[in-house]
Amino acid sequence: DVKVTQSSRYLVKRTGEKVFLECVQDMDHENMFWYRQDPGLGLRLIYFSYDVKMKEKGDIPEGYSVSREKKERFSLILESASTNQTSMYLCASMGQENFFATNEKLFFGSGTQLSVL
Amino acid sequence: QQQVKQSPQSLIVQKGGISIINCAYENTAFDYFPWYQQFPGKGPALLIAIRPDVSEKKEGRFTISFNKSAKQFSLHIMDSQPGDSATYFCAAAGNYGQNFVFGPGTRLSVLP
Repeated sequence: DVKVTQSSRYLVKRTGEKVFLECVQDMDHENMFWYRQDPGLGLRLIYFSYDVKMKEKGDIPEGYSVSREKKERFSLILESASTNQTSMYLCASMGQENFFATNEKLFFGSGTQLSVL
Repeated sequence: QQQVKQSPQSLIVQKGGISIINCAYENTAFDYFPWYQQFPGKGPALLIAIRPDVSEKKEGRFTISFNKSAKQFSLHIMDSQPGDSATYFCAAAGNYGQNFVFGPGTRLSVLP
């Protein structure tokens, strides 16, 4: 069964702390994504990566950075956590159909609920 | 132009009834319209999807209706069951599947 695993289900951090959210996929997918889910706002894309060491900004990248050193692992980093970053964070992966196109099916992890106090 | 609007925000339906969720988009470059279903404590999972070359797609009790001229699409759940209670997100994608925009979600509750 395909799997996207996020390292923590719940995380509580203090303002100013550096926070790492880890995500691992076992499907050999080229594309990986970090979304933020807030009530009434849906899923908003923070960053995505289409290859190892490659990254692209999404719609709300401010205050975040990412790292993809291996194909199966995509990390989201909050350099200095703030209370407005309290949210549910969802990692997703997606395969590549050919050089130009993905296969358009996102596989999501179960999410990490981050609380910044 | 990147926004996807979704309504209603929440929906309560009796068992056996029809649930209808509506979405609208602006960007005519979108060419793929999936619906994702999310149960509490889980990540969203693909439910059903449609492309603009057809006006309707049915999979079991789930149907997408698509109106290209109006730039609207909707999810119909026939014979709704309590197990369908979840949050539903519509989405639109273009650029060969690398650009997904999600609606704000609809929380569906199906009463037994």
